[in-house]
Amino acid sequence: EVQLVESGGGLVQPGGSLRLSCAASGFTFSTYSMDWVRQTPGKGLEWISYITGSSNSIHYADSVKGRFTVSRDNAKNSLYLQMNNLRAEDTAVYYCVGDASYAFQIWGEGTMVIVSS
Amino acid sequence: QSALTQPRSVSGSPGQSVTISCTGTSSDVGAYDYVSWYQHHPGKAPKLMIYAVSERPSGIPDRFSGSKSGNTASLTISGLQAEDETDYYCCSYAGTYTHWVFGGGTKLTVL
Repeated sequence: EVQLVESGGGLVQPGGSLRLSCAASGFTFSTYSMDWVRQTPGKGLEWISYITGSSNSIHYADSVKGRFTVSRDNAKNSLYLQMNNLRAEDTAVYYCVGDASYAFQIWGEGTMVIVSS
Repeated sequence: QSALTQPRSVSGSPGQSVTISCTGTSSDVGAYDYVSWYQHHPGKAPKLMIYAVSERPSGIPDRFSGSKSGNTASLTISGLQAEDETDYYCCSYAGTYTHWVFGGGTKLTVL
């Protein structure tokens, strides 16, 4: 079964850090570009980062550039998102997504991040 | 405010057809044939329904179809079923700087 499972979410104070992980199974992880997409409470979806299968190309949305870092370990079939200097507006459900054919093909069920004092 | 504009809600009776619009600009929807649509039951993983404007992934019924004209893309669901009731989001590639933009989502109600 094709599956993505996110972990690492939780409650963090403004200015704090959190590292999200995503475990992939059921498909050849290294051949997929991967993204992080978030959904803020009561609002829509927002793309925030992209990484190619070989990690040779990485991109971020302006809203997280300089604060978030995406990485992957193909040997462990895992994707990561290091989030620093968190703000209240980063409160969201974060989805790990497998990207192919210019579409978000495979989604996890998400992990909730709450930034609050 | 989302980059792409969708109606907040649409509704239809079982067996009927509904169309959800997604309006962008000449920098996203109008520029690329990389519009996709996602079905999202709250608390579950979003599901790809349409990609590349009108292509259906394996396993998606042909009741779901997509199209585009100018800066507006559309998702049409024919033969509405109760299980279609949920949220739908459109998404478009927007170039190498912005990358991806989403719509604000449309809640489909099956009456």
